[in-house]
Amino acid sequence: ETGVTQTPRHLVMGMTNKKSLKCEQHLGHNAMYWYKQSAKKPLELMFVYSLEERVENNSVPSRFSPECPNSSHLFLHLHTLQPEDSALYLCASSQDPGRGMNTEAFFGQGTRLTVV
Amino acid sequence: KNQVEQSPQSLIILEGKNCTLQCNYTVSPFSNLRWYKQDTGRGPVSLTIMTFSENTKSNGRYTATLDADTKQSSLHITASQLSDSASYICVVRRGSTLGRLYFGRGTQLTVWP
Repeated sequence: ETGVTQTPRHLVMGMTNKKSLKCEQHLGHNAMYWYKQSAKKPLELMFVYSLEERVENNSVPSRFSPECPNSSHLFLHLHTLQPEDSALYLCASSQDPGRGMNTEAFFGQGTRLTVV
Repeated sequence: KNQVEQSPQSLIILEGKNCTLQCNYTVSPFSNLRWYKQDTGRGPVSLTIMTFSENTKSNGRYTATLDADTKQSSLHITASQLSDSASYICVVRRGSTLGRLYFGRGTQLTVWP
């Protein structure tokens, strides 16, 4: 295990549902990330939080809403999703000292999301 | 444009054989390059990290090389095992930018008995 835990592991939701993905890390890291991995595509960075402040939003549709209440927890709130949003959603954390050279991103196991 | 290209897209080898995966990148400025192994349905796990000054680094049966001049890296797997079947992803970090990791599409390796 990498120390980054995501729940649930699998989620099936209708287009009118509201659900949340949860990520938790106890590695003492100060940065957390949401990535989307669609079939046969590279990982796409969605959001970056550093010290609980959102520092990057990669033009993600508003139907995805992140929340970082503290440095150990990260949520991704989902509402009115589309079938093309079906993918593996990965959370990662790292320790970033500002200009870190060798900070490794530790990934969770992912949530396999299916929108029907 | 910052990109990471991997080849081949997929590879099938017999157990016990060696193989080499390639990664070319245009990310600049360069900070470091990592190879991750991702088992199906699981998150990626780091295998090696290469910085600008490193040419070769080994982790058990995995050996990564980096040529920062030509912006190429390779991952060599020796004496492959069935458990090596996975997607191998090359990830390049852009210098001094939090979160700015560039991912390749991965090479899907299948090891047959």
